[in-house]
Amino acid sequence: GAGVSQSPSNKVTEKGKDVELRCDPISGHTALYWYRQSLGQGLEFLIYFQGNSAPDKSGLPSDRFSAERTGGSVSTLTIQRTQQEDSAVYLCASSLDRGKTQYFGPGTRLLVL
Amino acid sequence: GIQVEQSPPDLILQEGANSTLRCNFSDSVNNLQWFHQNPWGQLINLFYIPSGTKQNGRLSATTVATERYSLLYISSSQTTDSGVYFCAVGRWGGGADGLTFGKGTHLIIQP
Repeated sequence: GAGVSQSPSNKVTEKGKDVELRCDPISGHTALYWYRQSLGQGLEFLIYFQGNSAPDKSGLPSDRFSAERTGGSVSTLTIQRTQQEDSAVYLCASSLDRGKTQYFGPGTRLLVL
Repeated sequence: GIQVEQSPPDLILQEGANSTLRCNFSDSVNNLQWFHQNPWGQLINLFYIPSGTKQNGRLSATTVATERYSLLYISSSQTTDSGVYFCAVGRWGGGADGLTFGKGTHLIIQP
């Protein structure tokens, strides 16, 4: 019955390293979304998963970003060769079905040095 | 893509005051949600309201989809209402399942 959880809470990495961010959606929710929040760009949509369908990757800013969702549940967002402009809070949300109320996790704060 | 404008950007009120926050959007949507981001950064869903009016305690919201705007009303403000209020829109099934967020209204309630 818990909400959306994300790990780690904070991540500091060096420029050029790869990072993986994890999201555990609410049990039974078929839709999962990734967003990021930064001072300069506000809240931006990144990627959307619905059930076993191909994800909507239209918001990914570059090919260094990728995400997968295993077994229709847990999702991992991977950023390769991190850049300083990737520093942001990465937020995950889930909803019971597409187009429904979205519930957000606490986010992962990423700092790229 | 869909553009979302929120007003006012900042609002400072005394405890007990009422306020109205506005959200304008540039295209037809079938998904509109209001969120409150508390000082710790957690986004809390307040309303799922693609059309019509809803109320939840001291908060209520109205969306007039044909005129492309939504309003969030906060009555008898409390200090715990402080934070940033976001309007977010989408068009599920129409290539915009992910929400587009406005820049938010930063609300400060003073005791």
